[in-house]
Amino acid sequence: GESVGLHLPTLSVQEGDNSIINCAYSNSASDYFIWYKQESGKGPQFIIDIRSNMDKRQGQRVTVLLNKTVKHLSLQIAATQPGDSAVYFCAENSRSSNTGKLIFGQGTTLQVKP
Amino acid sequence: DAMVIQNPRYQVTQFGKPVTLSCSQTLNHNVMYWYQQKSSQAPKLLFHYYDKDFNNEADTPDNFQSRRPNTSFCFLDIRSPGLGDAAMYLCATSGTWNTEAFFGQGTRLTVV
Repeated sequence: GESVGLHLPTLSVQEGDNSIINCAYSNSASDYFIWYKQESGKGPQFIIDIRSNMDKRQGQRVTVLLNKTVKHLSLQIAATQPGDSAVYFCAENSRSSNTGKLIFGQGTTLQVKP
Repeated sequence: DAMVIQNPRYQVTQFGKPVTLSCSQTLNHNVMYWYQQKSSQAPKLLFHYYDKDFNNEADTPDNFQSRRPNTSFCFLDIRSPGLGDAAMYLCATSGTWNTEAFFGQGTRLTVV
């Protein structure tokens, strides 16, 4: 069945270090992927997205890598800051006939130590 | 400047008493989603619309229904809330299927 999952439930990093959050997906029909950041009590906030015709996309301090061969994507955060502490979700939007839907992975809690 | 607005932010309802959560958007997006999110879990898709075309997830309980009277508004109706329905309910919109989805701040539902 469809599933989008994350390998590590919690990631603890030192302020200033780089963070890497991983995600595995199983639906080979997925053609669009999004990383969201969710702070406590708030709705998910868009970070970066990538389409299946790309393998890398960069934003401000963030990079998403997509490996379609092994159905894996990752979010890299450079120079992690205390404000980056949150839960990070990967999500896929997969097409099925004439519709698509956004499915979320399990989530990784990022803790940034000062 | 909020683009996806959910009301109320906090809702307390009695066990078995019908409750309606609302969502509005100023983005004129075609797609609207309703998610249920329980503590320390990922958002779980309940329904989504493309315009007026309604899509119900197979495992969404019959107790949950949705209405979208126009492009801007969408409602989640819980006919007989149980204790297990206590959660954060998130609304999101996107222009089409494979574009960024924008989320509201959610409604925290408590069932007493």
